[in-house]
Amino acid sequence: GAGVSQSPSNKVTEKGKDVELRCDPISGHTALYWYRQSLGQGLEFLIYFQGNSAPDKSGLPSDRFSAERTGGSVSTLTIQRTQQEDSAVYLCASSLVQSVYEQYFGPGTRLTVT
Amino acid sequence: KNEVEQSPQNLTAQEGEFITINCSYSVGISALHWLQQHPGGGIVSLFMLSSGKKKHGRLIATINIQEKHSSLHITASHPRDSAVYICAVGGSQGNLIFGKGTKLSVKP
Repeated sequence: GAGVSQSPSNKVTEKGKDVELRCDPISGHTALYWYRQSLGQGLEFLIYFQGNSAPDKSGLPSDRFSAERTGGSVSTLTIQRTQQEDSAVYLCASSLVQSVYEQYFGPGTRLTVT
Repeated sequence: KNEVEQSPQNLTAQEGEFITINCSYSVGISALHWLQQHPGGGIVSLFMLSSGKKKHGRLIATINIQEKHSSLHITASHPRDSAVYICAVGGSQGNLIFGKGTKLSVKP
């Protein structure tokens, strides 16, 4: 039974470039969450999916951030025109359904914008 | 004011000591989660609770819904318990709202 996987594990990119981060949730989990942990900061919510739809995008910090989920499984988080303040660990979590079930976290993608 | 407040921010203990980490929240919740994050490691869910008390090995989590307060206790602490412990509350959409974490260091 595989857990939540994320790729790449590390990404170094130049300021202004676009990046795509991938999350593979646990099979059968319909809810998927993206969070961000900046250096020295706590975790913050970015976006969540129930199936393929994203009813709550309120956590996305700017319109440079977008996310999609296809087939109710894999999700990608895209950051356009990256800025240095985007440097953080991006974590994905999944749960059986939203709200009242335990969330299982992936190992994260460490993004560094130079 | 943060919606989820944890105390203490940092905690150093000697091996064998009983440890308590506190969490207070100000929003309505569906459930409260205690998470563990090791240095350089991922996040592991320890407990999810909406009432009463749960126990797993040397870890105990309690919640008082009326007082909007939860505690995480570690009995007979060990150096391998050294980690950041994070309290998070479940919002209405299922997303988690996190406290800033408590960094625990257990000395041998």
